[in-house]
Amino acid sequence: GENVEQHPSTLSVQEGDSAVIKCTYSDSASNYFPWYKQELGKRPQLIIDIRSNVGEKKDQRIAVTLNKTAKHFSLHITETQPEDSAVYFCAASKESGAGSYQLTFGKGTKLSVIP
Amino acid sequence: SAVISQKPSRDICQRGTSLTIQCQVDSQVTMMFWYRQQPGQSLTLIATANQGSEATYESGFVIDKFPISRPNLTFSTLTVSNMSPEDSSIYLCSVGTGVGNTIYFGEGSWLTVV
Repeated sequence: GENVEQHPSTLSVQEGDSAVIKCTYSDSASNYFPWYKQELGKRPQLIIDIRSNVGEKKDQRIAVTLNKTAKHFSLHITETQPEDSAVYFCAASKESGAGSYQLTFGKGTKLSVIP
Repeated sequence: SAVISQKPSRDICQRGTSLTIQCQVDSQVTMMFWYRQQPGQSLTLIATANQGSEATYESGFVIDKFPISRPNLTFSTLTVSNMSPEDSSIYLCSVGTGVGNTIYFGEGSWLTVV
């Protein structure tokens, strides 16, 4: 089955700096890669996702890049703000065939933005 | 995105009892899943809730412990049976909906077993 590795497990940045979280996956059939943000006591919220037909996607201060050959994808947050502090999870899944849309999650990255 | 409601939102349960969690979606969805998030951990898929047939369980999860129902395309239940403190977790319903079947989560059911 799929295995997703996520690094780092914790990340502290100064407000205004950039943050980068990296994930690798093992199943070459995976083609959907979402990122979730989970604030303390709340459910995971989808913040951005990417499909394998594109290499990069951007939404305001958040971007995700995908390298299918190397089987890794990354989340980039620019101009970080204190409200970006949360746990971020990457995930991978397939969009067809057996087990489609079943998400395999990384272990999470606790991001702290220091004012 | 779909509105996903879960009940109960929180509960404190006695060891050895069972609790049923309900998940209601405001639109018909083809895919519904149940995840578990143990304290301070990541999310793990328990099972895929199949409409009109038995759920498909992931390795490490069995029907006797986590029976699931899905009577229609908008509703599912997960029962946590014969609970022990190790079952203290957040249980999350998720659905695939919208363009490309993006996966969204319900607000979660936070269970503490004492």
